[in-house]
Amino acid sequence: DIVMTQAPLSLSVTPGQPASISCKSSQNLLHGNGRTYLSWFLQRPGQSPQLLIEEVSNRFSGVPDRFSGSGSGTDFTLKISRVEAEDVGVYYCVQSMEHPITFGGGTKVEI
Amino acid sequence: EVQLVESGGGLVQPGGSLRLSCAASGFSINAYWMTWVRQAPGKGLEWVANINAAGSATYYVDSVKGRLTISRDNAKNSLYLQMNSLRAEDTAIYYCTRYILVTGPLFDSWGQGTLVTVSS
Repeated sequence: DIVMTQAPLSLSVTPGQPASISCKSSQNLLHGNGRTYLSWFLQRPGQSPQLLIEEVSNRFSGVPDRFSGSGSGTDFTLKISRVEAEDVGVYYCVQSMEHPITFGGGTKVEI
Repeated sequence: EVQLVESGGGLVQPGGSLRLSCAASGFSINAYWMTWVRQAPGKGLEWVANINAAGSATYYVDSVKGRLTISRDNAKNSLYLQMNSLRAEDTAIYYCTRYILVTGPLFDSWGQGTLVTVSS
């Protein structure tokens, strides 16, 4: 199984400041079709998860442009350029390159 | 509006059974792979099972193989999870979600979840 490792476990950020979360996979997530199946989700307190970024760097519809994703192979990063109060919650990376689909352990972002 | 509404959760004794349902509206599930994801209390997200659009292929996390069964009824626009031989470690909120294979998006819409508690 592909293991997804996130860092840090938690992050305390001042509004308006940037934040960065790392996600490392135990195997290369580049599929033979040229796509890299790494996505990012945010789960706000008391809510269901929501898709932020798909295929490393593609922001999902309606996601603010302060969120950006980067990386390749086994190393990936989610960046928030200027954190806002509504960005608090737990961020998860997930690989869908192969079954079983696996999530990272999550990074809790607090203001 | 796309909606996924889970139901069927509750308190069950170890070794017991439950059947979860997920009713979809605002879209037709027959174009999507469907998925169950769970979240134990205070823990992270765990993928549980997938079923392809036709219902002919299923995939499971190792810890539930042989005990949980994912199925779908495209005519009823619904997804199911039959849960047998339940264990304390199956206690979690169970979410249904959807995705399109290869091109995505992955898990772009989620239900509110249904809580399953396995306890004597």
